[in-house]
Amino acid sequence: GENVEQHPSTLSVQEGDSAVIKCTYSDSASNYFPWYKQELGKRPQLIIDIRSNVGEKKDQRIAVTLNKTAKHFSLHITETQPEDSAVYFCAASPPNDYKLSFGAGTTVTVRA
Amino acid sequence: GAVVSQHPSWVICKSGTSVKIECRSLDFQATTMFWYRQFPKQSLMLMATSNEGSKATYEQGVEKDKFLINHASLTLSTLTVTSAHPEDSSFYICSALGRRDQPQHFGDGTRLSIL
Repeated sequence: GENVEQHPSTLSVQEGDSAVIKCTYSDSASNYFPWYKQELGKRPQLIIDIRSNVGEKKDQRIAVTLNKTAKHFSLHITETQPEDSAVYFCAASPPNDYKLSFGAGTTVTVRA
Repeated sequence: GAVVSQHPSWVICKSGTSVKIECRSLDFQATTMFWYRQFPKQSLMLMATSNEGSKATYEQGVEKDKFLINHASLTLSTLTVTSAHPEDSSFYICSALGRRDQPQHFGDGTRLSIL
């Protein structure tokens, strides 16, 4: 099955700086890569996703890049704000399966 | 947007009790629902995939007789933790998938504490 690795496990950044989280996946057939933000005790919320036919996607301060050859994808948050503090999970899903395999998560702390 | 309702949000009960958790898609039909388990400071682990009208598919290591899943309609799936013990204490989250080209939508989760 799919194995997703996520780094770093914790990330502390100064407000206004950028944050980058990286994930690798094992199944070359995976074609859907969402990123979720989870605050303590709450549901994971989809913040951005990318499919394998696209190399990069951006939504305001958030961007995701995908390198299919290397089987890795990254989340970029620019101009970080205190409300960006949360746990972020990457995930991967193969076609026709729709199961999500999650990374271990990254705890992001934005220092004011 | 798509809304998934999960109840109850918090359950505290004695060891040996069976607990039922409901997951409802409120404004869309969910042909597939997923049940996850999340321990503190850990990731979401898929327990089972539930398709409407058919038996659930369980992930390796998940006891199907322990975690009973029913997906009787296109808007409702239930997870019953049978004869729960303290080691079953966890955060259980469901998600629902409508159209295949849309993302999964998560419920708010159920925090289960077994005394």
